[in-house]
Amino acid sequence: QVQLVESGGGAVPPGGSLRLSCAASGFTFSSYGMFWVRQAPGKGLEWVAFIRDDGSNEHYGDSVKGRFTISRDNSKHAVYLQMNSLRGEDTAEYYCAKSSDYDGSGYLDYWGQGTLVTVSS
Amino acid sequence: SYVLTQTPSVSVAPGKTARITCGGYNIGDKSVHWYQQKAGQAPLLVISYDKDRPSGIPERFSGSYSGNTATLTIRWVEAGDEADYYCQVCDSNCDLPVFGGGTKLTVL
Repeated sequence: QVQLVESGGGAVPPGGSLRLSCAASGFTFSSYGMFWVRQAPGKGLEWVAFIRDDGSNEHYGDSVKGRFTISRDNSKHAVYLQMNSLRGEDTAEYYCAKSSDYDGSGYLDYWGQGTLVTVSS
Repeated sequence: SYVLTQTPSVSVAPGKTARITCGGYNIGDKSVHWYQQKAGQAPLLVISYDKDRPSGIPERFSGSYSGNTATLTIRWVEAGDEADYYCQVCDSNCDLPVFGGGTKLTVL
Protein backbone atom coordinates (compact mmCIF):
# COMPACT_ATOMS: atom_id res chain seq x y z
CA GLN A 1 0.00 0.00 0.00
CA VAL A 2 1.04 3.58 -0.60
CA GLN A 3 2.79 5.23 2.34
CA LEU A 4 4.13 8.74 2.68
CA VAL A 5 6.01 9.57 5.86
CA GLU A 6 7.11 13.12 6.57
CA SER A 7 9.86 14.15 8.96
CA GLY A 8 11.92 17.18 9.84
CA GLY A 9 9.35 19.50 11.34
CA GLY A 10 9.92 21.40 14.55
CA ALA A 11 10.25 24.81 16.13
CA VAL A 12 12.47 27.42 14.51
CA PRO A 13 12.93 31.18 15.08
CA PRO A 14 11.95 33.70 12.41
CA GLY A 15 14.58 33.87 9.70
CA GLY A 16 15.65 30.31 10.33
CA SER A 17 15.74 27.29 8.06
CA LEU A 18 14.32 23.81 8.12
CA ARG A 19 14.43 20.83 5.75
CA LEU A 20 11.46 18.52 5.51
CA SER A 21 11.70 15.01 4.12
CA CYS A 22 9.07 12.62 2.80
CA ALA A 23 9.77 8.93 2.40
CA ALA A 24 7.53 7.22 -0.14
CA SER A 25 6.73 3.56 -0.65
CA GLY A 26 4.15 1.30 -2.26
CA PHE A 27 4.15 2.84 -5.75
CA THR A 28 6.48 3.58 -8.66
CA PHE A 29 7.84 6.79 -7.19
CA SER A 30 9.66 7.97 -10.31
CA SER A 31 6.40 8.01 -12.31
CA TYR A 32 4.49 10.59 -10.27
CA GLY A 33 4.65 14.23 -9.40
CA MET A 34 4.83 15.14 -5.73
CA PHE A 35 3.43 18.03 -3.72
CA TRP A 36 4.00 19.75 -0.43
CA VAL A 37 0.74 21.14 0.92
CA ARG A 38 0.42 23.09 4.15
CA GLN A 39 -2.37 23.95 6.53
CA ALA A 40 -2.04 26.77 9.01
CA PRO A 41 -3.85 26.26 12.33
CA GLY A 42 -7.60 26.49 11.76
CA LYS A 43 -7.16 27.31 8.07
CA GLY A 44 -7.60 25.57 4.74
CA LEU A 45 -5.25 23.73 2.41
CA GLU A 46 -2.53 25.58 0.51
CA TRP A 47 -0.18 23.86 -1.91
CA VAL A 48 3.31 25.31 -1.55
CA ALA A 49 5.52 23.33 -3.90
CA PHE A 50 5.32 20.77 -6.68
CA ILE A 51 7.94 18.74 -8.51
CA ARG A 52 7.46 16.68 -11.64
CA ASP A 53 8.09 12.94 -11.79
CA ASP A 54 11.58 13.27 -13.18
CA GLY A 55 12.45 16.43 -11.25
CA SER A 56 12.65 18.49 -14.43
CA ASN A 57 10.07 21.07 -13.40
CA GLU A 58 9.13 22.74 -10.14
CA HIS A 59 6.41 25.15 -9.14
CA TYR A 60 5.95 27.23 -6.00
CA GLY A 61 3.10 29.06 -4.40
CA ASP A 62 3.44 32.83 -4.40
CA SER A 63 3.79 32.96 -0.61
CA VAL A 64 6.96 30.84 -0.60
CA LYS A 65 8.57 31.64 -3.95
CA GLY A 66 12.26 32.44 -3.54
CA ARG A 67 12.38 31.02 0.00
CA PHE A 68 11.42 27.35 -0.39
CA THR A 69 12.99 24.73 -2.67
CA ILE A 70 11.53 21.35 -3.49
CA SER A 71 13.70 18.48 -4.66
CA ARG A 72 13.48 14.73 -5.05
CA ASP A 73 15.74 11.71 -5.15
CA ASN A 74 14.10 8.97 -7.17
CA SER A 75 16.77 6.48 -6.16
CA LYS A 76 15.80 6.98 -2.52
CA HIS A 77 12.04 7.37 -3.12
CA ALA A 78 12.14 10.67 -1.28
CA VAL A 79 11.03 14.26 -1.74
CA TYR A 80 12.34 17.21 0.23
CA LEU A 81 11.37 20.78 1.06
CA GLN A 82 14.13 23.19 2.00
CA MET A 83 12.59 26.15 3.80
CA ASN A 84 14.68 29.29 4.31
CA SER A 85 13.92 32.75 5.70
CA LEU A 86 11.02 31.32 7.66
CA ARG A 87 8.27 33.65 8.87
CA GLY A 88 5.54 33.37 11.45
CA GLU A 89 2.97 32.86 8.72
CA ASP A 90 4.81 29.70 7.63
CA THR A 91 3.64 28.02 10.84
CA ALA A 92 1.56 25.08 9.66
CA GLU A 93 1.18 21.36 9.32
CA TYR A 94 3.09 20.35 6.19
CA TYR A 95 1.80 17.40 4.17
CA CYS A 96 3.57 15.46 1.49
CA ALA A 97 1.09 14.34 -1.17
CA LYS A 98 1.28 12.23 -4.32
CA SER A 99 -0.07 13.54 -7.60
CA SER A 100 -2.35 11.25 -9.56
CA ASP A 101 -0.13 11.82 -12.61
CA TYR A 102 3.40 12.78 -13.61
CA ASP A 103 2.40 16.45 -13.53
CA GLY A 104 0.25 18.53 -11.19
CA SER A 105 -2.88 18.72 -13.26
CA GLY A 106 -4.87 15.95 -11.61
CA TYR A 107 -5.68 15.25 -8.01
CA LEU A 108 -3.74 14.34 -4.88
CA ASP A 109 -4.53 10.71 -4.26
CA TYR A 110 -2.40 9.95 -1.22
CA TRP A 111 -1.28 12.14 1.67
CA GLY A 112 1.16 11.69 4.51
CA GLN A 113 0.19 12.33 8.12
CA GLY A 114 1.99 15.65 8.18
CA THR A 115 4.81 17.29 10.10
CA LEU A 116 4.33 20.44 12.14
CA VAL A 117 6.48 23.50 11.58
CA THR A 118 6.31 26.26 14.18
CA VAL A 119 8.07 29.56 13.52
CA SER A 120 8.33 31.57 16.68
CA SER A 121 10.87 33.48 18.68
CA SER B 1 -6.19 33.21 -10.64
CA TYR B 2 -9.04 30.73 -10.45
CA VAL B 3 -11.18 30.91 -7.31
CA LEU B 4 -13.35 28.20 -5.78
CA THR B 5 -16.04 29.23 -3.32
CA GLN B 6 -17.44 26.91 -0.64
CA THR B 7 -20.05 27.56 2.02
CA PRO B 8 -18.16 27.64 5.33
CA SER B 9 -20.47 25.29 7.19
CA VAL B 10 -23.28 22.80 6.70
CA SER B 11 -25.26 21.02 9.40
CA VAL B 12 -27.31 17.88 8.96
CA ALA B 13 -29.06 15.34 11.15
CA PRO B 14 -27.96 11.70 11.12
CA GLY B 15 -29.64 9.69 8.39
CA LYS B 16 -30.33 12.75 6.25
CA THR B 17 -28.60 14.00 3.10
CA ALA B 18 -25.80 16.56 3.16
CA ARG B 19 -25.02 18.66 0.11
CA ILE B 20 -21.73 20.55 0.01
CA THR B 21 -21.29 22.97 -2.85
CA CYS B 22 -18.28 24.36 -4.69
CA GLY B 23 -18.66 27.32 -7.03
CA GLY B 24 -16.33 28.58 -9.72
CA TYR B 25 -16.43 30.25 -13.10
CA ASN B 26 -17.31 27.68 -15.76
CA ILE B 27 -16.55 24.95 -13.25
CA GLY B 28 -18.43 22.57 -15.52
CA ASP B 29 -15.46 22.77 -17.88
CA LYS B 30 -13.16 21.40 -15.20
CA SER B 31 -12.78 18.14 -13.34
CA VAL B 32 -13.63 18.49 -9.66
CA HIS B 33 -12.07 16.45 -6.89
CA TRP B 34 -13.23 16.27 -3.27
CA TYR B 35 -11.34 15.60 -0.05
CA GLN B 36 -12.51 14.78 3.45
CA GLN B 37 -10.42 15.88 6.42
CA LYS B 38 -11.42 14.69 9.84
CA ALA B 39 -10.12 16.48 12.92
CA GLY B 40 -6.42 15.83 13.47
CA GLN B 41 -6.07 13.76 10.31
CA ALA B 42 -4.65 14.22 6.83
CA PRO B 43 -7.02 14.86 3.93
CA LEU B 44 -8.51 11.84 2.20
CA LEU B 45 -9.65 11.77 -1.42
CA VAL B 46 -13.35 10.85 -1.58
CA ILE B 47 -14.31 11.81 -5.15
CA SER B 48 -12.11 12.23 -8.22
CA TYR B 49 -13.02 13.45 -11.69
CA ASP B 50 -16.42 14.76 -10.63
CA LYS B 51 -17.99 11.47 -9.60
CA ASP B 52 -15.47 8.62 -9.27
CA ARG B 53 -15.14 7.06 -5.84
CA PRO B 54 -11.73 5.65 -4.85
CA SER B 55 -11.64 2.15 -3.46
CA GLY B 56 -13.00 2.06 0.07
CA ILE B 57 -15.18 5.16 -0.17
CA PRO B 58 -18.82 4.31 0.53
CA GLU B 59 -21.45 4.64 -2.20
CA ARG B 60 -23.14 7.20 0.04
CA PHE B 61 -20.65 9.73 -1.33
CA SER B 62 -21.35 11.10 -4.81
CA GLY B 63 -20.44 14.10 -6.93
CA SER B 64 -22.42 16.11 -9.46
CA TYR B 65 -22.67 19.43 -11.34
CA SER B 66 -25.32 22.01 -11.94
CA GLY B 67 -24.49 25.25 -13.72
CA ASN B 68 -21.47 26.90 -12.09
CA THR B 69 -21.65 24.70 -9.02
CA ALA B 70 -20.26 21.27 -8.20
CA THR B 71 -21.88 19.36 -5.37
CA LEU B 72 -20.67 16.63 -3.05
CA THR B 73 -23.68 14.70 -1.78
CA ILE B 74 -23.49 12.47 1.27
CA ARG B 75 -26.56 10.29 1.77
CA TRP B 76 -27.58 8.66 5.04
CA VAL B 77 -25.13 10.83 6.94
CA GLU B 78 -23.38 9.23 9.89
CA ALA B 79 -21.62 10.79 12.86
CA GLY B 80 -18.33 9.62 11.36
CA ASP B 81 -18.87 11.85 8.33
CA GLU B 82 -18.30 14.95 10.44
CA ALA B 83 -15.29 16.61 8.86
CA ASP B 84 -14.04 19.45 6.71
CA TYR B 85 -14.59 18.92 2.99
CA TYR B 86 -12.51 20.58 0.28
CA CYS B 87 -13.09 20.78 -3.44
CA GLN B 88 -10.20 21.05 -5.88
CA VAL B 89 -9.75 21.73 -9.58
CA CYS B 90 -6.73 22.50 -11.69
CA ASP B 91 -5.84 26.15 -12.27
CA SER B 92 -6.42 28.25 -15.39
CA ASN B 93 -3.52 26.59 -17.23
CA CYS B 94 -4.44 23.24 -15.69
CA ASP B 95 -0.90 22.91 -14.35
CA LEU B 96 -1.52 22.97 -10.63
CA PRO B 97 -4.29 22.54 -8.07
CA VAL B 98 -6.66 25.12 -6.69
CA PHE B 99 -8.44 24.31 -3.43
CA GLY B 100 -11.71 25.70 -2.19
CA GLY B 101 -11.78 27.23 1.26
CA GLY B 102 -13.42 24.18 2.80
CA THR B 103 -16.82 23.36 4.31
CA LYS B 104 -17.22 22.14 7.85
CA LEU B 105 -19.88 19.44 8.00
CA THR B 106 -21.49 19.14 11.41
CA VAL B 107 -23.65 16.12 12.19
CA LEU B 108 -26.29 17.21 14.68
